[in-house]
Amino acid sequence: EVQLVESGGGLVRPGGSLKLSCAASGFTFSGSAIHWVRQASGKGLEWVGRIRSRLNGYATAYAASMKGRFTISRDDSEDTSYLQMNSLKTEDTAVYYCTKAFCSGRSCHYDYWGQGTLVTVSS
Amino acid sequence: SSLLTQPPSVSVAPGKTARITCGVNNFGSKSVHWYQQKPGQAPVLLMYDDSDRPSGIPERFSGSNSGNTAILTISRVEAGDEADYYCQVWDSVTDRIVVFGGGTKLTVL
Repeated sequence: EVQLVESGGGLVRPGGSLKLSCAASGFTFSGSAIHWVRQASGKGLEWVGRIRSRLNGYATAYAASMKGRFTISRDDSEDTSYLQMNSLKTEDTAVYYCTKAFCSGRSCHYDYWGQGTLVTVSS
Repeated sequence: SSLLTQPPSVSVAPGKTARITCGVNNFGSKSVHWYQQKPGQAPVLLMYDDSDRPSGIPERFSGSNSGNTAILTISRVEAGDEADYYCQVWDSVTDRIVVFGGGTKLTVL
C-alpha cells in the first residue's frame, strides 16, 4: 500500500523557517518525482514545487512565489522528501501536501497524496 | 487567479448528471487530470489524461477534452459525490510547471 506521511508543520513567526518531511512507503521512492502542493484554508490547490528522481538529476522547480525561499530535497536512502521553507510570510499559511507524481511522456499527474500538514505563519 | 477556468459551483439532483468544465484555452492540447476532495480530506485522483480512470473509481465518472475545454461528467449523481473538484495540467513550457483550476464545489440537492 502506497503511503505518504507528512510531518513538521506548526506555528512559526513571519520571517521564520520550517522544514517539512514526507516519509514514503509502498512504492519505489527513488524512481519517483515528488511534488509539494499547498492549500490555504477555504482556498484551492496551489503547486509549490517538485524534485525529480536521481535518474533525472534530482532536478527541482518551484512556483514563482516560492522560488528562492523554498527548497525541496530528498533522501532516497530514507525514502523521504523535505520541504525547507525560509522567510515565511503570513500568506504561506496552508496545509502542505506531498504527492507522488506519475509522469508519462505527455504529462504528470498525482496518483497518491499524503494527508497533509498544517503550517501557520503568524505573530 | 487560476489560468484554468472552473465554475465555482455546480448543483445537481441525486440521480441526475453533473458536468464540471475546465477551460484550458492557454495551454493548447494538454492532458487534463481531475481530483476530488471531500471536506477535511486530501485530494484523490479521479481522472487522468483527460479520460482515464484510476482503479477503484466508478464508471459513473468520465472525462473528455476538446482542446479548449475539458469536462468531468458524473452520471447518476449520489450524495457521496458532494465534494470539491479540481482540474490540473502540466505545463513544461513555462515556469508554472503545474497549474490547478480554481475548483468547483459540487452540491447534491
